[in-house]
Amino acid sequence: TQLLEQSPQFLSIQEGENLTVYCNSSSVFSSLQWYRQEPGEGPVLLVTVVTGGEVKKLKRLTFQFGDARKDSSLHITAAQPGDTGLYLCAGAQGQKLVFGQGTRLTINP
Amino acid sequence: DVKVTQSSRYLVKRTGEKVFLECVQDMDHENMFWYRQDPGLGLRLIYFSYDVKMKEKGDIPEGYSVSREKKERFSLILESASTNQTSMYLCASSWILGTTGNTIYFGEGSWLTVV
Repeated sequence: TQLLEQSPQFLSIQEGENLTVYCNSSSVFSSLQWYRQEPGEGPVLLVTVVTGGEVKKLKRLTFQFGDARKDSSLHITAAQPGDTGLYLCAGAQGQKLVFGQGTRLTINP
Repeated sequence: DVKVTQSSRYLVKRTGEKVFLECVQDMDHENMFWYRQDPGLGLRLIYFSYDVKMKEKGDIPEGYSVSREKKERFSLILESASTNQTSMYLCASSWILGTTGNTIYFGEGSWLTVV
């Protein structure tokens, strides 16, 4: 059983469209992180959210942490082919990070 | 820049062989981690260490052991490799994770194939 459920697992959309990826859990996390991973490389941190209800923006990417600190979302506006990649959410529990299954995003020109 | 270096990018080993995966970090981080990544399963924690000679089992420790003799180095050992251990292995390090959500830094990964 996955502690963090990410959805969708696969998403293929056209350039210019908007999209949202969800990360849900029944557990509370002290913080939640979003990573992006390119083929053949390790994941790279995009953002960390700490406070319930927190919203962070990174250019066209908007990250939100749920009020109860159990879930998060990543919204991309006007997606571009350069956004293609594997997106991973990860929740901190003590000194461990628990990862979701990942969302493989493909943006078609 | 933080650097987490995994010694081997690609390995092919035979069933039953002993396999060592080495990882070195240059930021004096307390925490070091070994994950494996498989399609559809995300990253699963094998072992982590929060100090020299200290280790804790993660979610899937069976078939693996670890060694942390020096702060900067964390080794993953497959005592007797099996085909179901074919995977991408990721090493990572971090400061002590606090409520500020410290970053975990990953190496580039080691692709292990057991035949």
